[in-house]
Amino acid sequence: DVVLTQTPVSLSVTLGDQASISCRSSQSLEYSDGYTYLEWYLQKPGQSPQLLIYEVSNRFSGVPDRFIGSGSGTDFTLKISRVEPEDLGVYYCFQATHDPLTFGSGTKLEIK
Amino acid sequence: QVQLKESGPGLVQPSQTLSLTCTVSGFSLTSNSVHWVRQPPGKGLEWVGAIWSGGSTDYNSALKSRLSISRDTSKSQVFLKMNSLQTEDTAIYFCALFNYGRWGQGTLVTVSS
Repeated sequence: DVVLTQTPVSLSVTLGDQASISCRSSQSLEYSDGYTYLEWYLQKPGQSPQLLIYEVSNRFSGVPDRFIGSGSGTDFTLKISRVEPEDLGVYYCFQATHDPLTFGSGTKLEIK
Repeated sequence: QVQLKESGPGLVQPSQTLSLTCTVSGFSLTSNSVHWVRQPPGKGLEWVGAIWSGGSTDYNSALKSRLSISRDTSKSQVFLKMNSLQTEDTAIYFCALFNYGRWGQGTLVTVSS
């Protein structure tokens, strides 16, 4: 199974600053069709997860452009510029390239 | 409007079988895949399995021997059955339509005698 390793485990950020989360995969996430099925989710306290980014760098409908996904192969990054109060929660990377599908272990973003 | 809603027993006894239903609306099960994801209290997300648009299924490796996912397209429902439940299976169980970015609210399943 593909293992997704997220770092850091937790992150404390001042409002208005940038946050960066890394997701490293045990195998390349590029599929045979040329696409890379790496997604990012945010789970706010008490809520279901919400999709932020799909296929490494595409923002889902309604997601602010402060959220930027990048990377390729086995190394991926989610950057949140100008962190706002509503950004707090746990961020997960998720791969849908290889069966079985797998989530990263999560990164908790706290506001200082 | 795309919606998913999980339902099932809140409490299951150890060694018994869990049966959950995901009732969907606003999309066709024959054109979309539905996934199950679970989250133990205070812990991270775990992909459980999926039923694809054509009806085939895929499962989490660790759960495969105990798990079955099926559907009734006429009722717009997807079913999860997991047998030999243990306390470690206590979790919130979500169903989700990944390509629409839609999740149900989740249902808490507690395994306890």
